[in-house]
Amino acid sequence: DAKTTQPNSMESNEEEPVHLPCNHSTISGTDYIHWYRQLPSQGPEYVIHGLTSNVNNRMASLAIAEDRKSSTLILHRATLRDAAVYYCILRRPYTGANSKLTFGKGITLSVRP
Amino acid sequence: EAQVTQNPRYLITVTGKKLTVTCSQNMNHEYMSWYRQDPGLGLRQIYYSMNVEVTDKGDVPEGYKVSRKEKRNFPLILESPSPNQTSLYFCASSQGYNQPQHFGDGTRLSIL
Repeated sequence: DAKTTQPNSMESNEEEPVHLPCNHSTISGTDYIHWYRQLPSQGPEYVIHGLTSNVNNRMASLAIAEDRKSSTLILHRATLRDAAVYYCILRRPYTGANSKLTFGKGITLSVRP
Repeated sequence: EAQVTQNPRYLITVTGKKLTVTCSQNMNHEYMSWYRQDPGLGLRQIYYSMNVEVTDKGDVPEGYKVSRKEKRNFPLILESPSPNQTSLYFCASSQGYNQPQHFGDGTRLSIL
């Protein structure tokens, strides 16, 4: 899977929107952009994924740049429970039988009350 | 509720004493996987399974065994644990390749 680059950490205030950036300049045309997060003392949790168009679900929105070299995960109203490490990863639609996830260091999001 | 359940959540044991970490999912997923997470090394895959009786090695399989006799269960076996297997372990499942993966809450193993 191609490499992604994320800042190490970000801070936000509770009930404000949060924009978490991810750069993936070597993305290929078939790579999907996936976001997972890991809350303290829990397993990783799927958040959202997309290919070209912006995507929304109950947890977040994913904004994908027109050239697909970057994307932004948007939490519309941060809560204390959103404090976690957020991972942006790229996944090919099919590269064989193994569906292994490879996480980088991710962004550590802190939320201030 | 859809979930992946791991047991135990915490275990402290001694070198050489065989142990099994169980993993069960209630979503009828075909794909299951074991990872270990260590500081500075991220998530590394140990073994995975595409379906019943179909398992294969991941990136760090040495010292581990797995089995997939039923679709819902995918136990991780440490036949002779050693201190370098002290880690946080996660089991995951998904419906198929490139589908979102569901993770358990983790098992923290300490091998003394």
